[in-house]
Amino acid sequence: GAVVSQHPSRVICKSGTSVKIECRSLDFQATTMFWYRQFPKQSLMLMATSNEGSKATYEQGVEKDKFLINHASLTLSTLTVTSAHPEDSSFYICSARGNGGRSPLHFGNGTRLTVT
Amino acid sequence: QQPVQSPQAVILREGEDAVINCSSSKALYSVHWYRQKHGEAPVFLMILLKGGEQMRHEKISASFNEKKQQSSLYLTASQLSYSGTYFCGTDSISGYALNFGKGTSLLVTP
Repeated sequence: GAVVSQHPSRVICKSGTSVKIECRSLDFQATTMFWYRQFPKQSLMLMATSNEGSKATYEQGVEKDKFLINHASLTLSTLTVTSAHPEDSSFYICSARGNGGRSPLHFGNGTRLTVT
Repeated sequence: QQPVQSPQAVILREGEDAVINCSSSKALYSVHWYRQKHGEAPVFLMILLKGGEQMRHEKISASFNEKKQQSSLYLTASQLSYSGTYFCGTDSISGYALNFGKGTSLLVTP
């Protein structure tokens, strides 16, 4: 079964509005979750590392005021795309790793965001 | 640092073999291989941790060289279901996020 649950799977919003994406780890407590973004036919690019109980760490070029990350519990991280623009349209995927060196990165099912 | 993947794309007939390579300029902690179908999230295939290690997932296998800077994915007797984009993900420190290569698009035809 799914290890990481992501919701919603698809969202269409108007330019200027905000969208919240939820990511839950189901089988384990994730002190750290990772948010990726993928544009069509491109690779998965890390946006930020979400840390439970502390501020997220953003990758270079990712605006922290635009992509708000909250990791309020060991099983839930949220990404809010604020004041969305058409260029924010993308596939957003959250992920989490269990403990141990052989723990894979478990991905949620992703959220397809379309900003009109 | 993004690993380098090659080739960019492969077209195979069912039953043929293919190799996908993933390399880094410095030693890695681990290499993860994923397959992604169009419109879906990546699906984990296998992880390699030790230099010289080989792993297998059904008829797909992978190796990690001794210096831990290069990994190859071997698809043997390919099936139609193997079609998709294959990504290698790498990390230099255990537990950190993975850096993904640009992907290899694989199409298996009847």
